[in-house]
Amino acid sequence: NAGVMQNPRHLVRRRGQEARLRCSPMKGHSHVYWYRQLPEEGLKFMVYLQKENIIDESGMPKERFSAEFPKEGPSILRIQQVVRGDSAAYFCASSPLQGFKAKETQYFGPGTRLLVL
Amino acid sequence: GIQVEQSPPDLILQEGANSTLRCNFSDSVNNLQWFHQNPWGQLINLFYIPSGTKQNGRLSATTVATERYSLLYISSSQTTDSGVYFCGSNAGNMLTFGGGTRLMVKP
Repeated sequence: NAGVMQNPRHLVRRRGQEARLRCSPMKGHSHVYWYRQLPEEGLKFMVYLQKENIIDESGMPKERFSAEFPKEGPSILRIQQVVRGDSAAYFCASSPLQGFKAKETQYFGPGTRLLVL
Repeated sequence: GIQVEQSPPDLILQEGANSTLRCNFSDSVNNLQWFHQNPWGQLINLFYIPSGTKQNGRLSATTVATERYSLLYISSSQTTDSGVYFCGSNAGNMLTFGGGTRLMVKP
């Protein structure tokens, strides 16, 4: 786990506001994955990115959610017009290899707990 | 996609007891990982074990890829072992997680 950084650790938003979650992968890792954990449930894949590219967004809700991983800086998961059902823990993971052939561990960050009031 | 099932869903142990947690997956996988989510919500990597057996202190894991299951053994359990244990496997871009085993170790 050490090395994947996420901020903020806790985020409170009112319905309709925007939430921006940041993830800095481990040093040397260029592949980032976002997962969502709803209360009392397991983690669900959302999106897989490499620098400047979205590789797989099959788990991402079609509306209000977007993700990016720019050439410089952290990966950002953006949720627009948040609703109460968006309340969850959002985890970021990184790995050094391409996802579909990954044989390496994904390392997870501490997560961002989003609460929508 | 891959289906991952874990059993048992809940487990209560007395401190010092041993336990075995199981993870079944529905298809061939490239990666199988075990995680411990502690009561503060942090995900701790336990094992990367697509096949074979590994040990780390009181914990060990075995994956039989041909039979599509993995086992996590916890020996001489301690109260700090409490939390939720997840397995995750992938055959593509993402890890698919099981529903977890919620473990409570009582002093």
